[in-house]
Amino acid sequence: AQKITQTQPGMFVQEKEAVTLDCTYDTSDQSYGLFWYKQPSSGEMIFLIYQGSYDEQNATEGRYSLNFQKARKSANLVISASQLGDSAMYFCAMREAYNDMRFGAGTRLTVKP
Amino acid sequence: DGGITQSPKYLFRKEGQNVTLSCEQNLNHDAMYWYRQDPGQGLRLIYYSQIVNDFQKGDIAEGYSVSREKKESFPLTVTSAQKNPTAFYLCASSIDDRAYEQYFGPGTRLTVT
Repeated sequence: AQKITQTQPGMFVQEKEAVTLDCTYDTSDQSYGLFWYKQPSSGEMIFLIYQGSYDEQNATEGRYSLNFQKARKSANLVISASQLGDSAMYFCAMREAYNDMRFGAGTRLTVKP
Repeated sequence: DGGITQSPKYLFRKEGQNVTLSCEQNLNHDAMYWYRQDPGQGLRLIYYSQIVNDFQKGDIAEGYSVSREKKESFPLTVTSAQKNPTAFYLCASSIDDRAYEQYFGPGTRLTVT
């Protein structure tokens, strides 16, 4: 069964605007972690942000924030003040306790000047 | 500088040949992972290792083999039994198998013709 769903294959955003990348997940575990990774065209996976299932506050890292809605099982990534260098593939991932990390299919973000 | 190295960045092989992809880390991490990524898709787990001399199959282990003789090294062999070996291969590590966060190497793009 698909554990991580990213429904937006591609997104466009104007430079300096904010953008939200959607992610929903499926788990019956109480303890899990949610991640967002950025993959530029060079291929490496860059860790952006992490949210634990027990964290009450939404995670933030600079221009990145994770909009965590536990009851809806969603973990959307918000990028504020988009920059041209933000153009990349973005992957949502989840790891349940003692289980493998599962990745979504990704969203390709293009920032337009 | 601590990190994960994968070499080479690009690898070309003829069909029917085995090929070994290198992954080295100097982060002193116990756990290491191999993922496969196909165009337009997320990552799928091939093998992982929690400690030296131990490794477990992931979702798509058929046609692959690994070894973990040293903590720093986790090479992946793509055998001739792998039906569709052309893909992008990413190695990752984490402090231990219970740690949520994984750090990724730059990847190796394998092309088999």
